[in-house]
Amino acid sequence: DTAVSQTPKYLVTQMGNDKSIKCEQNLGHDTMYWYKQDSKKFLKIMFSYNNKELIINETVPNRFSPKSPDKAHLNLHINSLELGDSAVYFCASSRQGVNEQYFGPGTRLTVT
Amino acid sequence: AQSVTQLGSHVSVSEGALVLLRCNYSSSVPPYLFWYVQYPNQGLQLLLKYTTGATLVKGINGFEAEFKKSETSFHLTKPSAHMSDAAEYFCAVRSGGGADGLTFGKGTHLIIQP
Repeated sequence: DTAVSQTPKYLVTQMGNDKSIKCEQNLGHDTMYWYKQDSKKFLKIMFSYNNKELIINETVPNRFSPKSPDKAHLNLHINSLELGDSAVYFCASSRQGVNEQYFGPGTRLTVT
Repeated sequence: AQSVTQLGSHVSVSEGALVLLRCNYSSSVPPYLFWYVQYPNQGLQLLLKYTTGATLVKGINGFEAEFKKSETSFHLTKPSAHMSDAAEYFCAVRSGGGADGLTFGKGTHLIIQP
């Protein structure tokens, strides 16, 4: 069974559209994260959720909004997509107090 | 604030040779340190971690790393490189045990020469 899964794996869309990426973890973890990996492979934290509360919100445009219906899911909604949003987005999860994070396979977003 | 510096965006070694990937960090509190590996078009896989205790940490696939507080380093080594080790390697730091995200270095692409 996949520990952290993301859908879709690939997403191609046009500028101005709104899209969502879904993430699910079956590890029983209580904290989930979204990271962005740019074209130079640099990884940066975007958000983390702990017990349905947003813990970190880095300098991310408010067009990005995480939504967590329950502890096992953290979806990423993106409004008014821009060319610069093209990247690979990774979901991750961890158990609070245990520090390693487990990553999903990534979603490659291409905005044309 | 915390940061990670990985020296060398690309490292090339011959198969069977020693692998050494360098990582230096800065953190205002005792850090938790990690190495992750990313194979092409895949997610990140944890190689090893340092939280507390023994400073020499052994991980998967024959990799190990040593935490040196005086040098603020956490270099990754493997005695003998294998072709399957070719991948992108990321060092990461986390300060505190809460819900903080990881701060990653820019990654080192490891190339294995036959």
